[in-house]
Amino acid sequence: DGGITQSPKYLFRKEGQNVTLSCEQNLNHDAMYWYRQDPGQGLRLIYYSQIVNDFQKGDIAEGYSVSREKKESFPLTVTSAQKNPTAFYLCASSRDRDYNEQFFGPGTRLTVL
Amino acid sequence: QQQVKQSPQSLIVQKGGISIINCAYENTAFDYFPWYQQFPGKGPALLIAIRPDVSEKKEGRFTISFNKSAKQFSLHIMDSQPGDSATYFCAASNLWRGTYKYIFGTGTRLKVLA
Repeated sequence: DGGITQSPKYLFRKEGQNVTLSCEQNLNHDAMYWYRQDPGQGLRLIYYSQIVNDFQKGDIAEGYSVSREKKESFPLTVTSAQKNPTAFYLCASSRDRDYNEQFFGPGTRLTVL
Repeated sequence: QQQVKQSPQSLIVQKGGISIINCAYENTAFDYFPWYQQFPGKGPALLIAIRPDVSEKKEGRFTISFNKSAKQFSLHIMDSQPGDSATYFCAASNLWRGTYKYIFGTGTRLKVLA
């Protein structure tokens, strides 16, 4: 059963804490992406990675960090520097850098208490 | 220039009716236009997509109409069903810093009345 999994589904964080959101795919896709979704807004790109050990900032990277040590995994860390982290976070993947179609995971809802 | 404007924000349609959602863009470098369907608490799922060399694409009850000169594209849902009630996002994509970057519209919340 191929797809993208994200965990946890819900995450609560106290102010000042770093948290890491997991994203795993078994589609053998090269490219992976992290988006943030806020109510009434479209999805905004945080970070993307085209290949292992390489990643680039998107439009709203401040306060976030990522790693890509394995092809199937692209974890996102929300640091204490992110001023307004409460949001729905979506991970996506694409076959490779030359392929348009992106497939999304089920999302993680992060709430800062 | 990187915006995609989507309308309406919300839409209520009777069962069996036609739902129409519109998007407009400015950047002529966009070359791929997908539509995503999202149910509450779930990730978006690709519904249908079109490239600018085609003016219309139909898949089942879903049709994309594309007007390159007007820089507009729309999603038509024929014979709308209560199960179609969801949020729909349009997007536009082009090659950016070595990857295909998506710019999303702000979404349309569709409710189909039984």
